Amino acid sequence: AQSVTQLDSQVPVFEEAPVELRCNYSSSVSVYLFWYVQYPNQGLQLLLKYLSGSTLVESINGFEAEFNKSQTSFHLRKPSVHISDTAEYFCAVSGRIQGAQKLVFGQGTRLTINP
Amino acid sequence: ETGVTQSPTHLIKTRGQQVTLRCSSQSGHNTVSWYQQALGQGPQFIFQYYREEENGRGNFPPRFSGLQFPNYSSELNVNALELDDSALYLCASSLRTPTDTQYFGPGTRLTVL
Repeated sequence: AQSVTQLDSQVPVFEEAPVELRCNYSSSVSVYLFWYVQYPNQGLQLLLKYLSGSTLVESINGFEAEFNKSQTSFHLRKPSVHISDTAEYFCAVSGRIQGAQKLVFGQGTRLTINP
Repeated sequence: ETGVTQSPTHLIKTRGQQVTLRCSSQSGHNTVSWYQQALGQGPQFIFQYYREEENGRGNFPPRFSGLQFPNYSSELNVNALELDDSALYLCASSLRTPTDTQYFGPGTRLTVL
């Protein structure tokens, strides 16, 4: 069975500071990992994903995540955050149940950017 | 290209009632998944539909049921509503491959009183 642990429920940072949101996963099969972002009163938007190949994946808005198989981690980082990055961030691992491909999510990390 | 849409946006029901939520998948996608997101929690997988059949279910009771139509749109039905069913219900569409991204709709906020 797959599981995801997001180690911080809330992360407050100042604008233009770097940030790291931590994610550890457990999976006994091929690992596909995702970060989704949820802005207030909205659905989930894909931020980035790791399927195979390079362990460092990047998003178009400056976030990056590194797949570390030995530490079973997929931490999300950004070198300089903006007020607009304030949101809830969810790490997810792809899992299989019967014939379905499902996502198993962590509890989420609320990122708050202070001016 | 049209994204995933859901209706209604908000819904208030009382305990014991039944509710139907609707989802239109993104153009070209043949698979729809439903998730329940309780307040302050990550989404939990309810079930997935492919070619109008349920092909996987999470840990939810049978009073949660669904349908998928030939145009790949989908419905989630919940009978005998309980207070704990209050949540954001998210629909996601995708292709039925392990590496395909699931694209989420904006969700339906259900409140059970």
